[in-house]
Amino acid sequence: QLVESGGGLVQPGGSLRLSCAASGFTFSSYWMSWVRQAPEKGLEWVAIIDGDGNQKFYVDSVRGRFTISRDNAKNSVHLQMNSLRAEDTAVYYCARDPSYGAFDVWGPGTMVIVSS
Amino acid sequence: DVVMTQSPLSLPVTLGQPASISCRSSQSLVNNDGNTYLHWFQQRQGQSPRRLIYEVSKRDSGAPDRFSGSGSGTDFTLQISRVEAEDIGIYYCMQGTHGKTFGQGTKLEI
Repeated sequence: QLVESGGGLVQPGGSLRLSCAASGFTFSSYWMSWVRQAPEKGLEWVAIIDGDGNQKFYVDSVRGRFTISRDNAKNSVHLQMNSLRAEDTAVYYCARDPSYGAFDVWGPGTMVIVSS
Repeated sequence: DVVMTQSPLSLPVTLGQPASISCRSSQSLVNNDGNTYLHWFQQRQGQSPRRLIYEVSKRDSGAPDRFSGSGSGTDFTLQISRVEAEDIGIYYCMQGTHGKTFGQGTKLEI
């Protein structure tokens, strides 16, 4: 099971930290991703981190502004979002990645609204 | 960057009839390990996405057997043998071979 938290309303240029709590599986064995969905739009992969936290990859539009991290002791993955823009407004999902994007477990999502 | 193109974007269906969604990639999705990382997800209204098919044709244990996936290289298809009411929603293909890219989504509607 995955449960996201930390969403909310933030002004353009502001920051927000999302968290995803995992349970029911060996967390450190899996890559974990964040996927977002803007209102009435499709899915967009945002970032991924390997099981050890050593490898991290990002979509071009967030690289340099967002940072993915994980705490295996607490079975959690995080997304630090800085310099937020209106176009970052979306539901952010946490997803487990067993292999090359085959996201097999998803959280319910947390809404981020960037607006003044 | 790999571009994933789904068609149609809207698919009117009749309950009990078959349905098919196409997904094309801008480059081959065959990975260096010989596997093809093309997956299909279903998203019902107000719900999180759910994986149906992974690696082109492997159906998830919770996915009904009326769903099947096929294809190779750059052309892939999701087929529903007989559409049921619970199948209404948006279907996304996604490639994981060259980074991760979703298709635009295909809305299945009555």
